[in-house]
Amino acid sequence: ETGVTQTPRHLVMGMTNKKSLKCEQHLGHNAMYWYKQSAKKPLELMFVYSLEERVENNSVPSRFSPECPNSSHLFLHLHTLQPEDSALYLCASSQIQGAGLFGGYTFGSGTRLTVV
Amino acid sequence: EDKVVQSPLSLVVHEGDTVTLNCSYEVTNFRSLLWYKQEKKAPTFLFMLTSSGIEKKSGRLSSILDKKELFSILNITATQTGDSAIYLCAVEDNYGQNFVFGPGTRLSVLP
Repeated sequence: ETGVTQTPRHLVMGMTNKKSLKCEQHLGHNAMYWYKQSAKKPLELMFVYSLEERVENNSVPSRFSPECPNSSHLFLHLHTLQPEDSALYLCASSQIQGAGLFGGYTFGSGTRLTVV
Repeated sequence: EDKVVQSPLSLVVHEGDTVTLNCSYEVTNFRSLLWYKQEKKAPTFLFMLTSSGIEKKSGRLSSILDKKELFSILNITATQTGDSAIYLCAVEDNYGQNFVFGPGTRLSVLP
């Protein structure tokens, strides 16, 4: 375990379902991120939260809805997804937003999402 | 538009070989360049580079940044099968709000 825990590890959902991905860190980090990794594509940054406030949304469709209730938890709520949304969703945290000076980001192991 | 290009995209070598992975970038207000190793799922942090010409080393891995020519290289000497992974390069802007990954280099080290 890296210190960032994601659940579930695998998720299969229908296009009409509503589900949520969970990310938890107890590293004392103040920034958390959602990334999407699709096959044969670069890792894409989806959302950035710093001190529980959303600071970036990279033109992500509204069927993805993030929630950050506190600095240790981050959720990604999913509804009416499309098959092309099937991907690995990675959560990461950093001590502060823009973590290069502090050695980078800590990633979770990801949730493998399949939309059928 | 900020972008990161990595080459080669795929590389197959034999144990003991030395490899050089390349990363070039275009980013507004560059702050840092990071290298990650991705095995199976979660990337693990390797290096963070902010200054030109200063080599970072960790065991058989080393990396250097050229901010004038806008590129970085990651060297792995005496490769082992455990080095097989995707190596990701990412750059970060000075505001910490733009973090762009390259497509990765898939390295396969054969016994």
